[in-house]
Amino acid sequence: GDKVKQSPSALSLQEGTNSALRCNFSIAATTVQWFLQNPRGSLINLFYLVPGTKENGRLKSAFDSKESYSTLHIRDAQLEDSGTYFCAASNNNNAPRFGAGTKLSVKP
Amino acid sequence: EAAVTQSPRNKVAVTGGKVTLSCNQTNNHNNMYWYRQDTGHGLRLIHYSYGAGSTEKGDIPDGYKASRPSQENFSLILELATPSQTSVYFCASGGDREGQNTLYFGAGTRLSVL
Repeated sequence: GDKVKQSPSALSLQEGTNSALRCNFSIAATTVQWFLQNPRGSLINLFYLVPGTKENGRLKSAFDSKESYSTLHIRDAQLEDSGTYFCAASNNNNAPRFGAGTKLSVKP
Repeated sequence: EAAVTQSPRNKVAVTGGKVTLSCNQTNNHNNMYWYRQDTGHGLRLIHYSYGAGSTEKGDIPDGYKASRPSQENFSLILELATPSQTSVYFCASGGDREGQNTLYFGAGTRLSVL
């Protein structure tokens, strides 16, 4: 938790709107992963990143290793995007450390 | 299909009892991890392994042991369970041939220590 800080801790979005989640690191992260924990509790890997950006459908993620942060952008939020988003950072393939999560609620 | 399977899915234990949580992966990954999830803390690293026969301490190892007897299996052992170990425990595997350590998680084990 302390090595990886996520913001905001909770977020409510109207369906169809956009938002961004952020992850700040106090470690010299070389890779970042983003996960979604759905309401059933399953953890689903969304992105694995080295410094740079990746995009998948309505999701886009960026990782800046020099400034020690990563972002996850959600475009055109849908009800099924609801859940808790976690980022995890690793330094040179050490074990990933997780943030405390951002709980996202998408409302119709 | 490659998968990470945890057993049991739910467990109720008594204080002072021994609890073993099991994890099996068919991903042929070298790395395996045990995390616990508690409200407000995200996932915290307990133990991990780089391969059969290896175990490493994570950030909160006290009260837990780990065992990696094979590439596929990684167990978490609570020798003397305490109520503070009531939590949801997740196992993950990672480390493909390209060197990418994408984590794949099991469904979790909900442990209650009474």
